[in-house]
Amino acid sequence: NAGVTQTPKFQVLKTGQSMTLQCAQDMNHEYMSWYRQDPGMGLRLIHYSVGAGITDQGEVPNGYNVSRSTTEDFPLRLLSAAPSQTSVYFCASHAAYNYGYTFGSGTRLTVV
Amino acid sequence: KNEVEQSPQNLTAQEGEFITINCSYSVGISALHWLQQHPGGGIVSLFMLSSGKKKHGRLIATINIQEKHSSLHITASHPRDSAVYICAYSTGANSKLTFGKGITLSVRP
Repeated sequence: NAGVTQTPKFQVLKTGQSMTLQCAQDMNHEYMSWYRQDPGMGLRLIHYSVGAGITDQGEVPNGYNVSRSTTEDFPLRLLSAAPSQTSVYFCASHAAYNYGYTFGSGTRLTVV
Repeated sequence: KNEVEQSPQNLTAQEGEFITINCSYSVGISALHWLQQHPGGGIVSLFMLSSGKKKHGRLIATINIQEKHSSLHITASHPRDSAVYICAYSTGANSKLTFGKGITLSVRP
């Protein structure tokens, strides 16, 4: 009963590098979302998905891509990392409209 | 302006005290969520409520939809309750969350 699994837990990137943050859930939840958490800012929505094949932008989507080819997986791609993308990233899922959320344990990303 | 305001900003309590954390929001919502985050840790959903009151162990959450206000109460507080408590609301058919900045609670033994 893993819930939401995020990998890696820590990552250091150089400016301009690309990488993919992985998120997988085993609860058959339709809704998945990515957030970033910065000091003094609270959590902010990057991208979300309401089902396989359907994604949309959140509050801070620039510099990030997502796709949802299966119900289980929702990877977040950084196309060309910038120091402003240094943050802690959380993936979350929920079953349907107005159901409680389950969060992953987070990925701490540093871009140098 | 943050659409979710939490108060107090930081809170220190003695073990055993009754604690109240407040959350106010400014728009019509579908549901109000209370989340807990321990230092360096992940985020755990404590409550989701759209009316009335919910209780789980020593935690109680209430919401007043008309006043756009919610409270999280902790009875008989314990040092393990030390964490950041985040209020968030969901709106719309896709239930996107809008978050407050969180309250840092420290419970001293």
